[in-house]
Amino acid sequence: EAGVAQSPRYKIIEKRQSVAFWCNPISGHATLYWYQQILGQGPKLLIQFQNNGVVDDSQLPKDRFSAERLKGVDSTLKIQPAKLEDSAVYLCASSLDRLHEQYFGPGTRLTVT
Amino acid sequence: GEDVEQSLFLSVREGDSSVINCTYTDSSSTYLYWYKQEPGAGLQLLTYIFSNMDMKQDQRLTVLLNKKDKHLSLRIADTQTGDSAIYFCAEIRESNTGKLIFGQGTTLQVKP
Repeated sequence: EAGVAQSPRYKIIEKRQSVAFWCNPISGHATLYWYQQILGQGPKLLIQFQNNGVVDDSQLPKDRFSAERLKGVDSTLKIQPAKLEDSAVYLCASSLDRLHEQYFGPGTRLTVT
Repeated sequence: GEDVEQSLFLSVREGDSSVINCTYTDSSSTYLYWYKQEPGAGLQLLTYIFSNMDMKQDQRLTVLLNKKDKHLSLRIADTQTGDSAIYFCAEIRESNTGKLIFGQGTTLQVKP
């Protein structure tokens, strides 16, 4: 079974630029999560989708971050404009349903200069 | 609060047992997880325990749960150099949507 796929793996941008990340979850997984992991910390949830609907986006900085999962499969996370403090690893995870085990992709390491 | 706390660093010799500790705050937590993160990689699910269990064993891994003290531990028997990584405990709560609350991670260093 293929795991969670993410691209790109690395991205370097200047502050105030925009960037987008892509995630393809495990086939059949209804729930998709985006986490932000700042160096030296544990991951923190940004947004959670159940199929193509948003379940929890309480920690998403909505003035600059947006995410969508239009067909209930792939998802994109966008940052516009980026700030220095957005430098982090962005992890996508999926699970069969809520309260099931979450499986993580390799992450996208973003550096904002 | 939402804090899950772990000690930051543990160093052991190859062949010894490692014990990584975690404390959590929400007594309504249903599942507690252990994830492993190697450099430059995502998080790998190692094991989990349901809150009505005290212990779970899976090959070299033993998870102990003390609900009264809200304390979770992961024991790795016969630790190998390939076990060197950051270990995260995380809790999932019935009261929320299923999001994981992570600790800050324990770096395990295994010396040959």
